Amino acid sequence: GENVEQHPSTLSVQEGDSAVIKCTYSDSASNYFPWYKQELGKRPQLIIDIRSNVGEKKDQRIAVTLNKTAKHFSLHITETQPEDSAVYFCAASPSPGGGNYQLIWGAGTKLIIKP
Amino acid sequence: DAGVTQSPTHLIKTRGQQVTLRCSPKSGHDTVSWYQQALGQGPQFIFQYYEEEERQRGNFPDRFSGHQFPNYSSELNVNALLLGDSALYLCASSMRRALSYNEQFFGPGTRLTVL
Repeated sequence: GENVEQHPSTLSVQEGDSAVIKCTYSDSASNYFPWYKQELGKRPQLIIDIRSNVGEKKDQRIAVTLNKTAKHFSLHITETQPEDSAVYFCAASPSPGGGNYQLIWGAGTKLIIKP
Repeated sequence: DAGVTQSPTHLIKTRGQQVTLRCSPKSGHDTVSWYQQALGQGPQFIFQYYEEEERQRGNFPDRFSGHQFPNYSSELNVNALLLGDSALYLCASSMRRALSYNEQFFGPGTRLTVL
């Protein structure tokens, strides 16, 4: 089955700098890759996602890139701000052909923005 | 348009007791997934309900069971509670009969404490 690995587990960056979080997946049939942001004690919130027919997607300061050949995808946050401090999770969704509709989650990255 | 709602927000039980958690999906969504999130960990998939049937299950014992009602709302039941069941229980809704079938939106969660 699908397996998702996420790195690093903790990332500390200076406010205003960029942050990059990387994930790899094992199932080449996976076709949907969301990123969630979770603040302490709150629900995971979908911040950006990408499907396998696209290589890059941007939304203001956030971008996601996907390399299907290498089976990895990355979250890029530019001009980081204190409110970006949170735990970020990547996930992958296998093709539903086998009746599998669940998301497979990475272990999470704690992003710390230093003032 | 209401988002995903869950009740109760907090719950305290003792070992051996039983608990029922409730979830109402986002308007228009027909699928409910349940996750367990221990402190400092990522969400762990429990099971997913669609058309009132359990469609997929993660690596959780039979003490964890669920139900989906005709209005798509869902319950999670946990019997014979253990201390290790203490966690944030998250419900996520999605719309299986759509191109965006794997986009999941989370409720605020129920914080369960087992003493």
